[in-house]
Parts: sequence; C-alpha cells; structure tokens
Amino acid sequence: NAGVTQTPKFQVLKTGQSMTLQCAQDMNHEYMSWYRQDPGMGLRLIHYSVGAGITDQGEVPNGYNVSRSTTEDFPLRLLSAAPSQTSVYFCASLRGQGLTGELFFGEGSRLTVL
Amino acid sequence: AQSVSQHNHHVILSEAASLELGCNYSYGGTVNLFWYVQYPGQHLQLLLKYFSGDPLVKGIKGFEAEFIKSKFSFNLRKPSVQWSDTAEYFCASSGSSNTGKLIFGQGTTLQVKP
Repeated sequence: NAGVTQTPKFQVLKTGQSMTLQCAQDMNHEYMSWYRQDPGMGLRLIHYSVGAGITDQGEVPNGYNVSRSTTEDFPLRLLSAAPSQTSVYFCASLRGQGLTGELFFGEGSRLTVL
Repeated sequence: AQSVSQHNHHVILSEAASLELGCNYSYGGTVNLFWYVQYPGQHLQLLLKYFSGDPLVKGIKGFEAEFIKSKFSFNLRKPSVQWSDTAEYFCASSGSSNTGKLIFGQGTTLQVKP
C-alpha cells in the first residue's frame, strides 16, 4: 500500500518557469489537499478538493493551480515560479469525515526557485 | 478566522525529562484538534486527535493531550521523553466537518539530548 506518493522529491526552477508537482493516492480517499511548509510558519493550505471535479482555494492559493480529474490524482501547478514559492510542499488525503478524519501525508517535494 | 498558536518554538530537554508543548486555538465553534509529528527527513504523522468525549486523549508513543475548552488549549504531554522523540511537532485544528482543511500552528522543534 503506497499511501500518498509525491513526485518529484526535489526540484530547482528558474523564476518564470512553470512546473507540476504530482500527487497520487491509492486509498480511494475523497478529500485531498496541498500544503506548503515554511520555517516558523507551520503548514499552510494552498488548495483542496472534496472529490473528483471539485476544488477550492485554501489560505495561500495565489500562483498555484489545481485540478482533480480522478479520485487518485491531485496535481499542483506552478504557473510562473517566483522565489517566494521556494518551500516544501506536502500533499495529503483524508479518509472520509467524522471520527476517523486522519490526514495521510506524502513525503514532500522540496522546491527551490532561483 | 481560525488560528492556532504554539507557544514554544524550540525546546531542548534531556532524556527522561517531562514534556509539555503548548497549543492554543481560536475558534468559537466545534473544533477537531490534532497533534502531528515530523521526524527528521520524514513526512508528518498523526500523534493523536480530539473530536469529542473524554478531553484527555492518548496517542501513540506515550503521548497524550488535554483539551481544555475554557482555555482554548490542547497541550501535548509526555512524562518521560526519549532521544527518538527529537522531531518537529505541529498542533492543528479543523472545523467540525473535518474536510481536511487543517489550520496548523507554527511548529515546535524538540531536541532531546541523550
């Protein structure tokens, strides 16, 4: 059982370049989300999805785009990378609602924008 | 808007010392509360969670947390820490629907000296 898989693990971009961070989960979870982790700021929600075809913005959505065409995949697109987007990105999925409500995180993608 | 605040940013303890990490949340409605741990080089893992019921919650690896509604607090405790507890700890909250939209605190780095 792979859980939540993120690729790539490391990436260096130049300002203005675009790229896509991939996220896939094999647990048939409805809810998926993307967070960025910055020193001293914890994790901040970028975008989330409550199911295939449904996405919404989180706390820091600017400069990022998402889509959810299947239950399994939730890619995060950087449209025109900026140095402020240098961060570690985590994808997570949530099993249902209610008492279980546990987020499963991927191993993270470390992005550096020069 | 919801927010989560962690009082201690960096804690250094010797093995066998007791641990208490502070966490306060600001949200007037029903909240779900979590503590996550991130060991060096790894992804976030759930330590424990509170949804309702007994305000004293026990998690994995001997950790526990107490929900005190009147103080808007959810402090993490462990009676005797081990070197392997060296990690970063995050407190998080979500609304009652728990759609995976977590609000994280800034994180506390715990260093345990052998």
